[in-house]
Amino acid sequence: GENVEQHPSTLSVQEGDSAVIKCTYSDSASNYFPWYKQELGKGPQLIIDIRSNVGEKKDQRIAVTLNKTAKHFSLHITETQPEDSAVYFCAASLGGGADGLTFGKGTHLIIQP
Amino acid sequence: EAGVVQSPRYKIIEKKQPVAFWCNPISGHNTLYWYLQNLGQGPELLIRYENEEAVDDSQLPKDRFSAERLKGVDSTLKIQPAELGDSAVYLCASSLAGHEQFFGPGTRLTVL
Repeated sequence: GENVEQHPSTLSVQEGDSAVIKCTYSDSASNYFPWYKQELGKGPQLIIDIRSNVGEKKDQRIAVTLNKTAKHFSLHITETQPEDSAVYFCAASLGGGADGLTFGKGTHLIIQP
Repeated sequence: EAGVVQSPRYKIIEKKQPVAFWCNPISGHNTLYWYLQNLGQGPELLIRYENEEAVDDSQLPKDRFSAERLKGVDSTLKIQPAELGDSAVYLCASSLAGHEQFFGPGTRLTVL
């Protein structure tokens, strides 16, 4: 089955700086790659996603890049703010998102004021 | 529009007791998922429903776990009997025809 690895497990950045989280996947047939943000005591919230026919997608301060050849994808957050502090999960799926998601182990992002 | 609703939010039981979790998906979402999230880990899929049919239950430990989605709307996940290792957060998610999955707040289960 699919295996998703995520790095780093913890990331501390100064407010206003950029943060980058990287993930690799094992199944070349995976075609849907969402990113979720999870705050303490809450369920994961989708922040951005990308499908395999696209190499990059941006939404305000958040961007995701996908390299299908290398089977890795990354989340980029610019101009970080205190409210960006949370745990971020990458995931991969077959079937364009209809199938269940395979998640990475998460990255605890800490924004230092 | 209301999101995915789960209840209870917290449950504490003794080992060997039964427990059930309930999920109400977003209105109109035909696909429903149950995930298990252990502390410090990402969610892991337990079962996926398309309407009332379980189309992927390969990761559901069927000796003690069961699920149902009668009428293709609400769903219930049951554990009987619960074991210490079942302590975790149980998340429900729903989606519409292959689009993004929306998660509920989860039920935190503690087995003593």
